[in-house]
Amino acid sequence: QQQVKQSPQSLIVQKGGISIMNCAYENTAFDYFPWYQQFPGKGPALLIAIRPDVSEKKEGRFTISFNKSAKQFSLHIMDSQPGDSATYFCAAGTQGGSEKLVFGKGMKLTVNP
Amino acid sequence: DAGITQSPRHKVTETGTPVTLRCHQTENHRYMYWYRQDPGHGLRLIHYSYGVKDTDKGEVSDGYSVSRSKTEDFLLTLESATSSQTSVYFCAISEGGQARGEAFFGQGTRLTVV
Repeated sequence: QQQVKQSPQSLIVQKGGISIMNCAYENTAFDYFPWYQQFPGKGPALLIAIRPDVSEKKEGRFTISFNKSAKQFSLHIMDSQPGDSATYFCAAGTQGGSEKLVFGKGMKLTVNP
Repeated sequence: DAGITQSPRHKVTETGTPVTLRCHQTENHRYMYWYRQDPGHGLRLIHYSYGVKDTDKGEVSDGYSVSRSKTEDFLLTLESATSSQTSVYFCAISEGGQARGEAFFGQGTRLTVV
């Protein structure tokens, strides 16, 4: 049973456009929701994360939106750049319980110049 | 960059042979993790450690064992490699647990079992 479902699997956008990727989770005990970014040949790196006490968090061009009732969260990349081309993983975890995250299957973003 | 070193970076081995991958950290983080990454499956946790000699299984632990005899080193062993274990393996570290803060990943080890 997949606890974190990520969509779409891949996305192609033009430079300057908005990239949107979504995740849905099942376990209502999750209370930490990060997005990791991975460039080819590299390990994933934390991009941005949110906790359920807020509905939105913005860091530069990257915004996480969180909908607790729908059990969904999304990542928006504004003014997408070719350098944003990477694989993005959403994840979920429980601060007070397990020490590990559950990752989605990843989404490959391609930003065309 | 967090001080994580995975070795080897690439390895080709034959079916049935034992293989050990090493993860070495210089950050003195308590938690260490081993993942495998495969197309269409994302990142799947194999084993993790929450302290020296304290380890637990992840979702795909069959065929793998781990050991952590000191804080800085976390070893992943494939007792008898199979072709299904061909994958890219990532080590990660975290100071207080992945759900409490940032996890730092190594550069990965590409393992091919022929």
